[in-house]
Parts: sequence; C-alpha cells; structure tokens
Amino acid sequence: DSGVTQTPKHLITATGQRVTLRCSPRSGDLSVYWYQQSLDQGLQFLIHYYNGEERAKGNILERFSAQQFPDLHSELNLSSLELGDSALYFCASSVDGQGPTIYFGEGSWLTVV
Amino acid sequence: GQNIDQPTEMTATEGAIVQINCTYQTSGFNGLFWYQQHAGEAPTFLSYNVLDGLEEKGRFSSFLSRSKGYSYLLLKELQMKDSASYLCAVRDSSGTYKYIFGTGTRLKVLA
Repeated sequence: DSGVTQTPKHLITATGQRVTLRCSPRSGDLSVYWYQQSLDQGLQFLIHYYNGEERAKGNILERFSAQQFPDLHSELNLSSLELGDSALYFCASSVDGQGPTIYFGEGSWLTVV
Repeated sequence: GQNIDQPTEMTATEGAIVQINCTYQTSGFNGLFWYQQHAGEAPTFLSYNVLDGLEEKGRFSSFLSRSKGYSYLLLKELQMKDSASYLCAVRDSSGTYKYIFGTGTRLKVLA
C-alpha cells in the first residue's frame, strides 16, 4: 500500500459524459501527478500540482482539467468523453517533487462505452 | 524534445540474469528511475540514479551514464514473480520535476 488513495477504482460511462476522478496523496506529500495509461501503452504525463498550484502540464487534452485543493487532495475532471479516453488513470504523489521517487495510487479504470 | 527508448519485450529463464536497457534524450535531467508494473496494477519504485555509476539493491541493480544518455536495470536470480513490465523514467530538471516515462519493457520469466 503506497498510501495514495484513488477513487473510484472502476467507472463505466457513456460517450459525451463527464466524470471526476479523485486522489488523496500520502500524508505530508505536497506534489500530485496525474498519468494516463491506455492498453499496452506507457504512462502519459498529464499534469503536476504542487501545494495547490499547477507546476507542469503534459499531454492533457482541453476536455480534461484538474485542480489541487487546500487539503491537498486532487481531482481530475474528464468531459465530453470519447471511446479513446478509456484508460487507467494514475495519481502519484511525493513530498516536494525533488525526493527519490513518486508513489502511485492503484489507479482508476475508466471505460467509455 | 523528450524521448525515452526501451525494448518492448524480453524473455529470460528462471535463475538467470537479465539486463534491460534504456536510452533517453531529454531537455533536462534530474534523475533516472526504474519502476516495476504488473498488469493492471500500480507501478512500484525499484531504483533511482542521479549520478553516474551503479546502484545495487538486493537482486536489482541500476546503472547510469549521463554523458551517453543510457541506463540499464540488471535483475539477478530471476524468479517467476519478476514477470512484469519495467518502466524507465527521467525526471525533468526545469523546476517542474515532472517524470517522463518510457513505454516499458515486458519481461517474461520462463521456468
């Protein structure tokens, strides 16, 4: 158990819909990262937050948005969903981004039908 | 730009040694990381190199050459449970501290 909690674990929704994925980082961690992993694909970096502020953006679609709240939990919002958005979405956290590693949650499986 | 290359698949025998290579070209460098990922599960941290040389951790070792943009992960005394994907990742040095991952190497350990 990494200490990073993601909900929901599984989600099935229809095209055109909107979903919110939630992440609670490890206690004391200020940095939260979001990654997308499609079937047989690598981890695609989406976005990084540090202490409530956006620090870096990767290949995140305009239909997707994220934020980190004062209590440091983070949410990833996915809207106007398409079939190709079906993937495993991981959240990871670290103390400040400079430490020896980041710790991953178990992921949220999103299936768009 | 950023580019990280790893072999797609490797096969090895139980008890053997396997070396998984990773080459990278990134605009900045602040460390190279190796993770293990079983199918459908979260990646778990294996090792971290920021300076050139070899880091050893039990059956796993990782090597880095920053001048060559090259790293390898060495797995000794392979066990069936080592069958997994191994992900190489580079941490950016631009102050964003984002981690960029390769597509991973799927290792099959055969009895």
